[in-house]
Amino acid sequence: KAGVTQTPRYLIKTRGQQVTLSCSPISGHRSVSWYQQTPGQGLQFLFEYFSETQRNKGNFPGRFSGRQFSNSRSEMNVSTLELGDSALYLCASSSYGLAGALGNEQFFGPGTRLTVL
Amino acid sequence: AQTVTQSQPEMSVQEAETVTLSCTYDTSESDYYLFWYKQPPSRQMILVIRQEAYKQQNATENRFSVNFQKAAKSFSLKISDSQLGDAAMYFCAYRSDGYGQNFVFGPGTRLSVLP
Repeated sequence: KAGVTQTPRYLIKTRGQQVTLSCSPISGHRSVSWYQQTPGQGLQFLFEYFSETQRNKGNFPGRFSGRQFSNSRSEMNVSTLELGDSALYLCASSSYGLAGALGNEQFFGPGTRLTVL
Repeated sequence: AQTVTQSQPEMSVQEAETVTLSCTYDTSESDYYLFWYKQPPSRQMILVIRQEAYKQQNATENRFSVNFQKAAKSFSLKISDSQLGDAAMYFCAYRSDGYGQNFVFGPGTRLSVLP
């Protein structure tokens, strides 16, 4: 089975621009979560989507948004970029909701490294 | 809200030796899952081991084992016969059992393995 894929892997933007990141979960997984990882703040939860619905949201400003499509692929958008948005953005998928305890495990993608200049 | 604490920002171990990484968590739930994830430098995060809170037996995966103390809310990871490839950032994570529960990660412990 193919793993979680994220595109692009690297991105350089300037302040004020917007960016869209993409995540394709493992086939059959309907839950997709997004995290921001920085050296200072560690892994911070952004939001989770399940069957095209946002099920959970972390404590991030409204500039951060996401969506999920019917094929479970997810996109994350950040508008009006700030220098502090520079981070590794990780996507993780899970089969949660389908069957048993194993569904609680998350599988991570390689991440998108966003640099804001 | 649940929190996960890893009190050791950095640790080192000699190759072939044993090391234990600490993790404590705070929750009022009775059913939940605990995980250790490994993130090697510039590489993908992968699951090392998982533990269901309702199971008293400690999980084991080859050289990796946990010491799960539910009453103390402690979940430590023991790595035996450490190898150079074990060098990574290790994250302890918690997820309660229930619809719509997200993962809560600890700040991580950076493990160095010395040859």
